[in-house]
Amino acid sequence: AQSVTQLDSQVPVFEEAPVELRCNYSSSVSVYLFWYVQYPNQGLQLLLKYLSGSTLVKGINGFEAEFNKSQTSFHLRKPSVHISDTAEYFCAVIQLGGYQKVTFGTGTKLQVIP
Amino acid sequence: GAVVSQHPSRVICKSGTSVKIECRSLDFQATTMFWYRQFPKQSLMLMATSNEGSKATYEQGVEKDKFLINHASLTLSTLTVTSAHPEDSSFYICSARPSSGAQETQYFGPGTRLLVL
Repeated sequence: AQSVTQLDSQVPVFEEAPVELRCNYSSSVSVYLFWYVQYPNQGLQLLLKYLSGSTLVKGINGFEAEFNKSQTSFHLRKPSVHISDTAEYFCAVIQLGGYQKVTFGTGTKLQVIP
Repeated sequence: GAVVSQHPSRVICKSGTSVKIECRSLDFQATTMFWYRQFPKQSLMLMATSNEGSKATYEQGVEKDKFLINHASLTLSTLTVTSAHPEDSSFYICSARPSSGAQETQYFGPGTRLLVL
């Protein structure tokens, strides 16, 4: 079985400040890792994903994430946030093989303060 | 880019009625579609995996007779909430995995908000 932990349910940050949203996972096999963003009353949009190769992954809207196998983490970062980044962010994993079931974390609400 | 639509975007119904939600992949074929529900301030929980032309696979705790899933074509899956009750009120999101291309790829629909009175 696999699980995803997002320890921070809410992260307030001032506009133009840096932010890091934490994600840790647990799995007995190798996984693919994802970050999704959800704006109010909308579906999910893929920010970035890690499949293999370079552990630093760059995504849309200036976000990046680093895969750390030893710490089983995939933290999301942005050097300077904008008001429009206010949204819910979900970390997710898919086990390699299997039938591609996605396990989501509980989400982190990023609140950008003007 | 790949687009997944859901219809309706929101629906209000009386307790005891049935509601059908459609999930369509607009510009690609999807052998597999997934249905999730999301309660307020919570994460998405997978309800079932829908495979074109075969029976859906339901997650533990999801009533298959209450949440009927049909995946009759490569671009359409439907979720019918039968005899809906207020506790079924939720945000339902589907995703579609392209028949060709990377296996880990899923595209999400915009969601359907169901309110049962």
